[in-house]
Order: sequence, then structure tokens, then C-alpha cells
Amino acid sequence: GIQVEQSPPDLILQEGANSTLRCNFSDSVNNLQWFHQNPWGQLINLFYIPSGTKQNGRLSATTVATERYSLLYISSSKTTDSGVYFCAVENTDKLIFGTGTRLQVFP
Amino acid sequence: EAGVAQSPRYKIIEKRQSVAFWCNPISGHATLYWYQQILGQGPKLLIQFQNNGVVDDSQLPKDRFSAERLKGVDSTLKIQPAKLEDSAVYLCASSLIGLAGAGDTQYFGPGTRLTVL
Repeated sequence: GIQVEQSPPDLILQEGANSTLRCNFSDSVNNLQWFHQNPWGQLINLFYIPSGTKQNGRLSATTVATERYSLLYISSSKTTDSGVYFCAVENTDKLIFGTGTRLQVFP
Repeated sequence: EAGVAQSPRYKIIEKRQSVAFWCNPISGHATLYWYQQILGQGPKLLIQFQNNGVVDDSQLPKDRFSAERLKGVDSTLKIQPAKLEDSAVYLCASSLIGLAGAGDTQYFGPGTRLTVL
């Protein structure tokens, strides 16, 4: 089956710093989404981005489908950005989640 | 708009006992999903319903897990008997359409954290 790998696995930042999270996938996909799971376990959809670039406030994402990777950029990070970031790819109507990047932002 | 509701939020049982989880999706969403998330991993799809029919249950351990979605709205997931390795968070999600490439977003509930002793 399709493999989804994320890097780095862990990231520690000071408030105000910028970061880039990467998602690599092993096969062509119909869809790619980025999720944030907050420290209380709630999963929130950030972007639906099968290709191209999207921006939402301090967050932006780029997917290069032909090269099978996606990047999530977080600028001017805040403590509320802490949690785990997952990318998930859709293959045959099923979402396959990556391994996640655990982000901790300290004041 | 109300989100996906799940209950209970926490459950502690002993191995070999039974447990059931309940999910109420967002109103009007045709597709409902149950995921299992083991600590430190991403969610893994257990079963997907389209209205009240099963679309995918290939990763559901059918010897002990069962799920139903009567009337195409609420859903229950049952484990009988539970094993230690079933300790996880069980997440329910719903989406409007559920078709690949349809631009459909999945909305997740808060999850039920199961501990099997």
C-alpha cells in the first residue's frame, strides 16, 4: 500500500519562529490534506491541497504532486500551534495518515 | 453548525469485556468513518459507511469488532471481547460526499479514549 512519511518527527520552537514540515508519499494520490491534532486530541482540517499552493493566515501549504511531496509552512509560530501535524493522502476513497510531526512551541 | 459528537469520552475496561462507542455525524453528511489511533501513530481507518451501507471494512478485525449505522445517521462501534492491544483513541469522522477527489473534507469528533487493563 501507499506509504506516507513525515519529517521531522519532532520539532521544538520558540514563539515567533518559522518552520517547514514535509510529507512524502510513495504513489500518486487523488487528494492530500493537512490536519492539526491539538493537545486534547481534536483533529482539525487545515488544508485540502492535492496540488498547488494555499494560504490561510500564518499557515500555507504547497503540494508538488508530480514529485510526491507536500510542505506545510508555519510562520510566526504561537504556543497554540503546539500539537501533532498530520498529512493524509487519499487513495481509492481512503485517507492514509502519515506518521505525524510533533510540534512544541515555547513562549 | 454542530460538529461530530462522540460518547463516551473515556472508557476503562478489563480484557475480555465488551464496549460500545457512539457517534452522531454532522447533519446531512452521507459518509461516516471510524478510525483507531494508537498512541504515537496516525489514525487508521477501521470502517467507512456511505449512508447505511459499508464501503470499506478491510481493516476492521471482524472477529471482535463490529459496527453499524442504522438509518444512515448515528453509528455504533463495538468491541467484544476486548484485548490489551485495543487500547487506543477511537475517532469518528463524517464528510458530505465521501468520494475520491471530490474536494470533500472529513470532520472529526473528539474521540473516545479506551484503556483495556
